[in-house]
Amino acid sequence: NAGVTQTPKFQVLKTGQSMTLQCAQDMNHEYMSWYRQDPGMGLRLIHYSVGAGITDQGEVPNGYNVSRSTTEDFPLRLLSAAPSQTSVYFCASRGDRDTYTFGSGTRLTVV
Amino acid sequence: AQSVTQLGSHVSVSEGALVLLRCNYSSSVPPYLFWYVQYPNQGLQLLLKYTSAATLVKGINGFEAEFKKSETSFHLTKPSAHMSDAAEYFCAVIPTNAGKSTFGDGTTLTVKP
Repeated sequence: NAGVTQTPKFQVLKTGQSMTLQCAQDMNHEYMSWYRQDPGMGLRLIHYSVGAGITDQGEVPNGYNVSRSTTEDFPLRLLSAAPSQTSVYFCASRGDRDTYTFGSGTRLTVV
Repeated sequence: AQSVTQLGSHVSVSEGALVLLRCNYSSSVPPYLFWYVQYPNQGLQLLLKYTSAATLVKGINGFEAEFKKSETSFHLTKPSAHMSDAAEYFCAVIPTNAGKSTFGDGTTLTVKP
């Protein structure tokens, strides 16, 4: 099925560890983005990309890196995990008509 | 630049009652407007969207929304709530110049039997 695939679904990290959240889409969408969702704060944009080789910062980029080497993949890297990064992370791609397709999310806990 | 305000972080209705979830926006260029729904432990799914065609937009599961430019609103309604409508609902605005999107903070809908 066409869509956005995120892995892993759950992850527990220790403070200071690094990891990469994977995101892949098979709809040939140019625009991809990462959000974090925290209770009472809605969705906050971390980073986004308008095409391969192009990335830009969103509202809350500190502590996260992204790259976009292909149209399909948009990984999010946590450089040195902190408890404040405990959250649910969503990857989304945006196609024609500006409609988003969201992944099912990654629940990250940093202890 | 744009912003989205969802009035009421929690809305509770009885089964069979009218559902009204409020969304107001501001945008420096004509916007596209969306409502998304998120069921527990899932990602967001598109409910409906306004992209400058008809101002009254019908979506899935009996929901509809009306774009009112004079009021800068895009409220979501459903005539009769069902238990399965319990979820979190997000309003979003995307400028028509293909800029960044902005999501509201979400409204949690509870449906009482």
